[in-house]
Amino acid sequence: AQSVTQPDIHITVSEGASLELRCNYSYGATPYLFWYVQSPGQGLQLLLKYFSGDTLVQGIKGFEAEFKRSQSSFNLRKPSVHWSDAAEYFCAVGEVDYKLSFGAGTTVTVRA
Amino acid sequence: NAGVTQTPKFRVLKTGQSMTLLCAQDMNHEYMYWYRQDPGMGLRLIHYSVGEGTTAKGEVPDGYNVSRLKKQNFLLGLESAAPSQTSVYFCASSATGVGYEQYFGPGTRLTVT
Repeated sequence: AQSVTQPDIHITVSEGASLELRCNYSYGATPYLFWYVQSPGQGLQLLLKYFSGDTLVQGIKGFEAEFKRSQSSFNLRKPSVHWSDAAEYFCAVGEVDYKLSFGAGTTVTVRA
Repeated sequence: NAGVTQTPKFRVLKTGQSMTLLCAQDMNHEYMYWYRQDPGMGLRLIHYSVGEGTTAKGEVPDGYNVSRLKKQNFLLGLESAAPSQTSVYFCASSATGVGYEQYFGPGTRLTVT
């Protein structure tokens, strides 16, 4: 089975500063990779996905992620965070039957 | 177009009681999934369905049963609730062909005392 590791449990960032969330995966072939965001008390919303092609993918809300096969990583970035970006972020990898395997999540706190 | 809806939003059960969580989607998706979310553990797949009338076990199926009698509905049952089943439960659905991109419901917070 595939696995996803998000090394950072909690990150605090100042409003306007840049943000990078780390994600590492284990998978034999080219993976299908995703980042989801969960605001407090809400369900998960897809931020972006990588299936193939350009290794730098753009998502909603100004987020982007870069797929690096050599490092088995799919890190999420945002150049300038807003207070509304405070949430929990999940990295996921696709498996057979269109299942997803999720990382444990990273909680982002934005300070004024 | 409501997307994925879940009923109920909150529930408190006593140990040994039973209940059914309902998930409904109006996107004509073939695939549906039930997850549980616990602090520090991300989302873990309980059961899933690849089409009407089919179900399959996920990562943590013990203590749960599911049914997919209609394409738009996916039911999760707890026959005899245990405190270890206290969690937030999410339903999701996805389309064939596109695959993988799952659409999530708002969740059900279940407490078993």
